[in-house]
Amino acid sequence: AQSVTQLDSQVPVFEEAPVELRCNYSSSVSVYLFWYVQYPNQGLQLLLKYLSGSTLVESINGFEAEFNKSQTSFHLRKPSVHISDTAEYFCAGTLTGGGNKLTFGTGTQLKVEL
Amino acid sequence: DGGITQSPKYLFRKEGQNVTLSCEQNLNHDAMYWYRQDPGQGLRLIYYSQIVNDFQKGDIAEGYSVSREKKESFPLTVTSAQKNPTAFYLCASRPGDANTGELFFGEGSRLTVL
Repeated sequence: AQSVTQLDSQVPVFEEAPVELRCNYSSSVSVYLFWYVQYPNQGLQLLLKYLSGSTLVESINGFEAEFNKSQTSFHLRKPSVHISDTAEYFCAGTLTGGGNKLTFGTGTQLKVEL
Repeated sequence: DGGITQSPKYLFRKEGQNVTLSCEQNLNHDAMYWYRQDPGQGLRLIYYSQIVNDFQKGDIAEGYSVSREKKESFPLTVTSAQKNPTAFYLCASRPGDANTGELFFGEGSRLTVL
């Protein structure tokens, strides 16, 4: 079955340090990939997406993700995190053979500490 | 502003009672979805509807029911048959002609069974 995997359930990091949240998907053909962010007791908000073109995509608040087809990865990075980045982050993908169905990873809780 | 409205935000229910969660969207989207979120398990699809008067079971439909009588509305009923209904419920939608799978989410409803 097609899947999206987030290996890290929690990532603690100090403020102003860099962070990487890992995401891998199980398809070698065309995909659309997304990162969503969820703050406590709120819905999911789209952070960034890869549909085609440049493999490096950026958000307005300093996050970036790189689509790597050979490694089937779409890791999320930020060079310097802020306390306000504390949230849960979900990787998701529309994978070949899955129609338009979006498949979610299990989420990574990012906790930024002072 | 266009968006997805879920109500109520918080709901308490006694065991054995049915409860209905509301989801309304003014984005003119064709497809609507209901997800359940539990800690550490990511999002699990309950039901989805691609067009009015049609809906499909997702991965965990048992104990839930839906209707899609209007394009903008997709209410979810949690019945007494649902054995563990305490969870955070998320409604989402997407345009019918969007083949990327990208979803737009409401703010969620937290159901607690006492």
